[in-house]
Amino acid sequence: QKEVEQDPGPLSVPEGAIVSLNCTYSNSAFQYFMWYRQYSRKGPELLMYTYSSGNKEDGRFTAQVDKSSKYISLFIRDSQPSDSATYLCATYNQAGTALIFGKGTTLSVSS
Amino acid sequence: DVKVTQSSRYLVKRTGEKVFLECVQDMDHENMFWYRQDPGLGLRLIYFSYDVKMKEKGDIPEGYSVSREKKERFSLILESASTNQTSMYLCASTRDRGLSPLHFGNGTRLTVT
Repeated sequence: QKEVEQDPGPLSVPEGAIVSLNCTYSNSAFQYFMWYRQYSRKGPELLMYTYSSGNKEDGRFTAQVDKSSKYISLFIRDSQPSDSATYLCATYNQAGTALIFGKGTTLSVSS
Repeated sequence: DVKVTQSSRYLVKRTGEKVFLECVQDMDHENMFWYRQDPGLGLRLIYFSYDVKMKEKGDIPEGYSVSREKKERFSLILESASTNQTSMYLCASTRDRGLSPLHFGNGTRLTVT
């Protein structure tokens, strides 16, 4: 089993929709979880960063971690065409030496 | 804001050439990383460094080496470029390995012909 699994999509939604992006992870020792957004021909930029379980909200974005099911989610409310990008979930490996990434979900929001 | 700068956005090299990819960060971070990103494979770690002159292999180090002579600069070296090294290369840095997020450069798209 891969350490971090993510549905690659693509996912297409109309403007204003609520978007749910999801990842699963294999190691219950993982504690720090991140969501990155990557626009075409750019490097990934940090969107959200959470520790352990629970929710974290930042504007239209909410990150959620469910450690009991090893499931992490990113919700986007009132999605905009500018949200069209690839979204990557990430967590530190067990040794804490490097981030491991899901393969990314490509999102397209149409106006 | 942290700035990670990769010297080239696009590179085209021939098979067998020695290739240098340069990365500089301006936030005095101890830890620096090189990833490659390929469609369907995601980001894969090549090498990382947690201090000057220190380096550690990542998941796919074969065919690559690195150099870290100064804290702010981390170079990736392709000893003899091959077509299967055509990829997007991403450099990143962080202050606290294991705790804090990585900050990425905008990548170098390398094509080996």
